[in-house]
Amino acid sequence: DAGVIQSPRHEVTEMGQEVTLRCKPISGHDYLFWYRQTMMRGLELLIYFNNNVPIDDSGMPEDRFSAKMPNASFSTLKIQPSEPRDSAVYFCASSDRNTQYFGPGTRLTVL
Amino acid sequence: QKEVEQNSGPLSVPEGAIASLNCTYSDRVSQSFFWYRQYSGKSPELIMSIYSNGDKEDGRFTAQLNKASQYVSLLIRDSQPSDSATYLCAEKSESNYQLIWGAGTKLIIKP
Repeated sequence: DAGVIQSPRHEVTEMGQEVTLRCKPISGHDYLFWYRQTMMRGLELLIYFNNNVPIDDSGMPEDRFSAKMPNASFSTLKIQPSEPRDSAVYFCASSDRNTQYFGPGTRLTVL
Repeated sequence: QKEVEQNSGPLSVPEGAIASLNCTYSDRVSQSFFWYRQYSGKSPELIMSIYSNGDKEDGRFTAQLNKASQYVSLLIRDSQPSDSATYLCAEKSESNYQLIWGAGTKLIIKP
């Protein structure tokens, strides 16, 4: 198995632009998690899905953030409009109900 | 509110010695605990999981769980410079499959 796949690996954008991060979970996993990691705040859970349905989005910082999972093999995290304080590493992880496996992450820089 | 606490370090250990990493948690009903290793610029990767009181060994790594005292520890024997990383402790919420994360302990193995 290729593991969790994320794209892009790096994204540099300007304030106000829309950013879309993509994730392909491990086949057969029914949970998908989106995290954000910064030096100041550590690893924060933004939202997670079970069987493509959003279960808890209480970690999504603002309405500028949205996430979708249209099918079992694809999810997106969108930020519109982006702000410099959104600069962080965004991880997607998938789980088989027990262990979470992380993708390589997307390093987002908003100028 | 459920919390997982770790000393942020850095913890400096000479090569070949035993590195001891500790974690305490607040949720008495938690049953599953995980240690992840994160190299700088990389994603967290699972190194150990533990569900029962006592010790669990895997190569140079030993996880220890004490539910009565609500702590989990990770011992690394014969520590190597390649063990230098941040170690994240996490407990799994039994109600919703989320992981509650500690802030991580930075471990430095000195040659």
